[in-house]
Amino acid sequence: GAGVSQSPSNKVTEKGKDVELRCDPISGHTALYWYRQSLGQGLEFLIYFQGNSAPDKSGLPSDRFSAERTGGSVSTLTIQRTQQEDSAVYLCASSLAQGARTEAFFGQGTRLTVV
Amino acid sequence: AQSVTQPDIHITVSEGASLELRCNYSYGATPYLFWYVQSPGQGLQLLLKYFSGDTLVQGIKGFEAEFKRSQSSFNLRKPSVHWSDAAEYFCAVGGTRGSQGNLIFGKGTKLSVKP
Repeated sequence: GAGVSQSPSNKVTEKGKDVELRCDPISGHTALYWYRQSLGQGLEFLIYFQGNSAPDKSGLPSDRFSAERTGGSVSTLTIQRTQQEDSAVYLCASSLAQGARTEAFFGQGTRLTVV
Repeated sequence: AQSVTQPDIHITVSEGASLELRCNYSYGATPYLFWYVQSPGQGLQLLLKYFSGDTLVQGIKGFEAEFKRSQSSFNLRKPSVHWSDAAEYFCAVGGTRGSQGNLIFGKGTKLSVKP
């Protein structure tokens, strides 16, 4: 596609439920990132995929969070047993190559609200 | 540890006035530096980036930024602000090694423009 696509754009879920957020990166981009943007907190790095390498999961805040990337393309971020503090905008980005030297293109995000 | 500080949470300037948004970083090696802009309801768009060479970099929409190693700063400037520049601005630092793929973002500076 022309840009990074995220779905759904908005998600309201009840506390304790699991949610899945999807990211379709730009075709041909080998690197994929997930960030969380909470009010007043800026962008918090969650996880980074590069090709077939093991992902960098150092930013995941708890074991309730996980992500996978199938076939080196689409990625799914899963949050289990959601809590109210998980409410945020989840942003996905992709870039052409490994490392921060290349520009990361961002999707418009999924706004998650846990009630 | 890598970190980015944007000391100003919110700035208001008059249309036509000059603008400077501050960014300080902490990084143990030569950083890659970025400024992104996020308009309401939109994803992040890259304004400009610094990798090496000339320390004054030009970006889109009339923005520029200057890398000052001695001050660990990468301040964003624009000589004359337009009402359409009202948005949130994020400074980010990236790794210089291939394994450090993630970008570290500041908490952002919200820019309001007075008519």
